[in-house]
Amino acid sequence: EVQLVQSGAEVKKPGESLKISCKGSGYSFTNYWIGWVRQMPGKGLEWMGVIYPGTSDTRYSPSFKGQVTISADKSISTAYLQWSSLKASDTAMYFCARHSGSCSSGVSCWFDPWGQGTLVTVSS
Amino acid sequence: DIVMTQSPDSLAVSLGDRATINCKSSQSVLYSSSNKNYLAWYQQKPGQPPKVLIYWASTRESGVPDRFSGSGSGTDFTLTITSLQAEDVALYYCQQYYSPANTFGQGTRLEIK
Repeated sequence: EVQLVQSGAEVKKPGESLKISCKGSGYSFTNYWIGWVRQMPGKGLEWMGVIYPGTSDTRYSPSFKGQVTISADKSISTAYLQWSSLKASDTAMYFCARHSGSCSSGVSCWFDPWGQGTLVTVSS
Repeated sequence: DIVMTQSPDSLAVSLGDRATINCKSSQSVLYSSSNKNYLAWYQQKPGQPPKVLIYWASTRESGVPDRFSGSGSGTDFTLTITSLQAEDVALYYCQQYYSPANTFGQGTRLEIK
């Protein structure tokens, strides 16, 4: 079974750094793009970016480029989303999701499956 | 960025009736060489991650009930739920995966009238 398991909830202060993780299992981790999606409290989904773990090729939404860093460690089948200096406005649920196995269009694909989400709370 | 605009923002439908959600993209998401629309629909229930219902604008994901259907091409798309069931109460999102920076619609909340 293909699974994405995310790290647990985090409570941080403004200015602190953070790295959350998403571990894939049940498939060849290096062969599928993995992305991150933000959902602020009571709001909709925002596509942040994707990474291809096999080559570390990374694409960002213009809205998030320079604000976060997406990376992956293929030796442990884990993708990461990190911040160097958190703001209160980074408070949100963050989902990782893999490109569907039904997709043969390279970087252009829908997400399936999804991780369970990691809640990040940034408050002084 | 391609802007995806859904309508309505919320919708209340009686059990057994039809629900229709629209999604309009600011530019075409039809890739001419493949004749495929790079458009997916997701359902999100409270406390859960989204789940894909439809991809390529009209292909139903395996296991999704056939009361869910997708239609449209180019810039205008529709998700239709025939014979609404109680378990269909959720948020629904469209997503374009045509451009390198994918984008989602703002979401439509579906409730029971």
